Amino acid sequence: NAGVTQTPKFQVLKTGQSMTLQCAQDMNHNSMYWYRQDPGMGLRLIYYSASEGTTDKGEVPNGYNVSRLNKREFSLRLESAAPSQTSVYFCASSEPGEPQHFGDGTRLSIL
Amino acid sequence: GNSVTQMEGPVTLSEEAFLTINCTYTATGYPSLFWYVQYPGEGLQLLLKATKADDKGSNKGFEATYRKETTSFHLEKGSVQVSDSAVYFCALRPFGYSSASKIIFGSGTRLSIRP
Repeated sequence: NAGVTQTPKFQVLKTGQSMTLQCAQDMNHNSMYWYRQDPGMGLRLIYYSASEGTTDKGEVPNGYNVSRLNKREFSLRLESAAPSQTSVYFCASSEPGEPQHFGDGTRLSIL
Repeated sequence: GNSVTQMEGPVTLSEEAFLTINCTYTATGYPSLFWYVQYPGEGLQLLLKATKADDKGSNKGFEATYRKETTSFHLEKGSVQVSDSAVYFCALRPFGYSSASKIIFGSGTRLSIRP
């Protein structure tokens, strides 16, 4: 019962460094999502992938790129990290109309 | 536009107290409404949902009723436990959409229960 697995769980970067956050789901879901969670702001959608081979921008896509590697995996890349990207990042997956399943998050600090 | 407003926390209660976390929304038509819970160190989990007016969602002793006339979806529990300590998010999905990419989350309310 792994569900949605995110790696790493914690990471500290310096400004300007690059990093890829990994996400994998084993529920055969078509749709996958990346969110960031900041204090007092709830969850904001960064990018999503409605199905394998497609990706779309969410509410806050600037500074990020994504890759839907296959049906299971959806990665989020920060090409040049900035302190404003310090946040907790969550990956989720679902089928249309069904509840999302979330990973446990990646806590990212940019110094 | 669509939005969700929920009461600011933190909310601190004693065990066995009655809980209400307020949530109001702005949306056209009849959105679907959700409450999610986030336990420390974990991702969000769906707690309950309601998809039409006057529906009551319930789970784990929590309840929320979809009130179209007051555009509200307040979360209630009659007797809270220490294990209910978590962050609670109210959310909506606009009418006519099935994709979770359209879900709008409130800012979250942190609940702490004292033994």
